[in-house]
Amino acid sequence: GAGVSQSPRYKVTKRGQDVALRCDPISGHVSLYWYRQALGQGPEFLTYFNYEAQQDKSGLPNDRFSAERPEGSISTLTIQRTEQRDSAMYRCASSLNSGETQYFGPGTRLLVL
Amino acid sequence: QQPVQSPQAVILREGEDAVINCSSSKALYSVHWYRQKHGEAPVFLMILLKGGEQKGHDKISASFNEKKQQSSLYLTASQLSYSGTYFCGTDVSNTDKLIFGTGTRLQVFP
Repeated sequence: GAGVSQSPRYKVTKRGQDVALRCDPISGHVSLYWYRQALGQGPEFLTYFNYEAQQDKSGLPNDRFSAERPEGSISTLTIQRTEQRDSAMYRCASSLNSGETQYFGPGTRLLVL
Repeated sequence: QQPVQSPQAVILREGEDAVINCSSSKALYSVHWYRQKHGEAPVFLMILLKGGEQKGHDKISASFNEKKQQSSLYLTASQLSYSGTYFCGTDVSNTDKLIFGTGTRLQVFP
């Protein structure tokens, strides 16, 4: 596609439910990154992939958060047993190769009630 | 560990200049600069790699002083479209893991 796309754009869920956030990177981009961004703050690194391999997941807050990119293209960030503190904008970015420019998607705004 | 940006906020008239600084407590491999407008995704401006290079395009340029572990973004003859929040993203070891700074909010008025 022309740019990074994410779905859904908005997600409202009840505490305790699981959610899956999808990221479709720019076609041909090797690297894919997940960030979380609070209002007024910069993006906070969660995890990233090169192709289908998860390279670094040190930013995932706890074991309720997981991510996968099984075929090296689309990625899914899953949050299990959501809590109110998980409410935030979740952004995905992709780059052609490691260390190159990261292009951000529009984000998924998650609200946990 | 989060890079500190200064100033926190800047108000300019069109045509004025501004400098935004990004300081890290760790040695840096590269610095990435982004601008984010309200309600939108961060937009890439430029990357500076280890080596003390300076880059620029149009009226926006940046420098990277690896010894001082800091980078500066220079905005000259500011335009209304420059308004937004500027973030530096730092890579401390060429690991692709960007740690973003505290942000600088810039507003340009006519």
